[in-house]
Amino acid sequence: GAGVSQSPSNKVTEKGKDVELRCDPISGHTALYWYRQSLGQGLEFLIYFQGNSAPDKSGLPSDRFSAERTGGSVSTLTIQRTQQEDSAVYLCASSLETDQETQYFGPGTRLLVL
Amino acid sequence: AQKVTQAQTEISVVEKEDVTLDCVYETRDTTYYLFWYKQPPSGELVFLIRRNSFDEQNEISGRYSWNFQKSTSSFNFTITASQVVDSAVYFCALGLIQGAQKLVFGQGTRLTINP
Repeated sequence: GAGVSQSPSNKVTEKGKDVELRCDPISGHTALYWYRQSLGQGLEFLIYFQGNSAPDKSGLPSDRFSAERTGGSVSTLTIQRTQQEDSAVYLCASSLETDQETQYFGPGTRLLVL
Repeated sequence: AQKVTQAQTEISVVEKEDVTLDCVYETRDTTYYLFWYKQPPSGELVFLIRRNSFDEQNEISGRYSWNFQKSTSSFNFTITASQVVDSAVYFCALGLIQGAQKLVFGQGTRLTINP
């Protein structure tokens, strides 16, 4: 079946602009995760959704970052007033409710803030 | 605090050699999971294996094998008879059960298999 998909695959934006990154999880997966992969910080957890609610937002680096999930499926990660340090690959993962320990990752969105 | 350390930043070997990627973890939790993921040049993280803290049996899957030792907090990954297609960045990760299954990743080891 189809894996986790993310769009866009690449995004170049100017400092100060807002961006929206989209994640479409594997069908039937109730849990959804966002991670960020950057050169200096490695892979960092950002936020986790169970259904449409986000019980763990502990990894969001600032209030410029927000995420939502609707219909228990697609999720959008929004970064407002982007900064150059936001440049990174944003990875989305999903997992089954009955096997939440195993996360399956999408190809990521490569964000470059100029 | 939870932490995963992959001390080997880069490894380069010739095809058909065996290679071991090291992973050491720290956690105060008694129940946890350990993972290995592969990230090929395409960028997607590919799940390889999951072990839980109760099961220290080593596992073999084809040319891949994993050695989990709680006494040394290590979860090492060995590729036997390496192939060029094994070239990738490999990540070790620790999964915590604290209401969310967030993963704590090591910094990754870039493995290059030369023909």
